[in-house]
Amino acid sequence: GNSVTQMEGPVTLSEEAFLTINCTYTATGYPSLFWYVQYPGEGLQLLLKATKADDKGSNKGFEATYRKETTSFHLEKGSVQVSDSAVYFCALRRSGGSYIPTFGRGTSLIVHP
Amino acid sequence: NAGVTQTPKFQVLKTGQSMTLQCAQDMNHEYMSWYRQDPGMGLRLIHYSVGAGITDQGEVPNGYNVSRSTTEDFPLRLLSAAPSQTSVYFCASSSSTGASAPLHFGNGTRLTVT
Repeated sequence: GNSVTQMEGPVTLSEEAFLTINCTYTATGYPSLFWYVQYPGEGLQLLLKATKADDKGSNKGFEATYRKETTSFHLEKGSVQVSDSAVYFCALRRSGGSYIPTFGRGTSLIVHP
Repeated sequence: NAGVTQTPKFQVLKTGQSMTLQCAQDMNHEYMSWYRQDPGMGLRLIHYSVGAGITDQGEVPNGYNVSRSTTEDFPLRLLSAAPSQTSVYFCASSSSTGASAPLHFGNGTRLTVT
């Protein structure tokens, strides 16, 4: 079946530090890959996505590249802010008979001033 | 543009009580789903629907019922609340079941069962 593995958190950084949150996946075929962000007290919201190999998704300074050879979709940001403190979820979705999204467990990011 | 609206935001129930969590979307989305989120457990799928009149069970359906009489609404019913159902519940929808369709989430209902 499908699965998504994320690095365990929390990840604690100082403001302006470089961020990487690792995500690897297992799926047959050609899934689309997503990063969602959940701010305290809110629902998840789409941060970025990539739909085919070598695509790079980007939004709000965050980037992730769909690497089929390593089955990875790592989230990166060059300079984090306190306002980036949130929980980040990696997810995949396939088409056809297996269209229910698969989520990772989430990684909490805490950014200190 | 409201997106996905969940009501109520907070609810406290006594064991054995029943209630309905409401979910409505105004985006004409085909796919709707319910998740529960518990510390350390990530998101777990309760029920989902691919259109009006069609529902199916997810990973943790016991103790919950759903119906989809319209495209817009997808209520979740707790039949007889138990403390194990204390959780944060999220409704999510997508335009289709296509691989590239992202989920749109509501802001959740925080349920406590005493």
